[in-house]
Amino acid sequence: SQQGEEDPQALSIQEGENATMNCSYKTSINNLQWYRQNSGRGLVHLILIRSNEREKHSGRLRVTLDTSKKSSSLLITASRAADTASYFCATDEHGNKLVFGAGTILRVKS
Amino acid sequence: GAVVSQHPSWVICKSGTSVKIECRSLDFQATTMFWYRQFPKQSLMLMATSNEGSKATYEQGVEKDKFLINHASLTLSTLTVTSAHPEDSSFYICSARPYTSGSPNEQYFGPGTRLTVT
Repeated sequence: SQQGEEDPQALSIQEGENATMNCSYKTSINNLQWYRQNSGRGLVHLILIRSNEREKHSGRLRVTLDTSKKSSSLLITASRAADTASYFCATDEHGNKLVFGAGTILRVKS
Repeated sequence: GAVVSQHPSWVICKSGTSVKIECRSLDFQATTMFWYRQFPKQSLMLMATSNEGSKATYEQGVEKDKFLINHASLTLSTLTVTSAHPEDSSFYICSARPYTSGSPNEQYFGPGTRLTVT
């Protein structure tokens, strides 16, 4: 089964700018995770936020979670060309299976 | 730690042949492995959940006779695409959940296998 939505589908910014991606999901969750995928490669885990958390930071990453709106956002500050990748959220909506969002393709221009 | 490998990383095969993809957890044991499929510029779709020593659980719409999954040991799961056709061309990604994991969502992903069927 497929999952919630992410927006924007694609985002192009200049190096140094901030990038914000959003993710929505459908049912209740225990946690939500964000992953990065470079073109043609596997997934790299970025951050996990639990349902009782509202915000979490990791380096240049900031994740928020609004369970009332069933949405999350990923903010990458001071973006770099190396941040160019696809970003996916994933939830545990279906128990022990991860349900992935549609993804946002981020391009950071140098 | 928590490294998952896939082999091969890419494969080209002729229509009608079968292809086997291996997924290995290199430094941990995994009772559960997952197989995903990803089309270009799209998200990951779960195909099946593979448990060591038992039959795989397939997602709705995934043909179990087409995509054979074997999880013979705690470090190896294989996906065999039988009688491959061009529409099976895709990026196949596996993930593994550590045997000792207390979280159902702790998964480590392999680098993926690009399958092209000509």
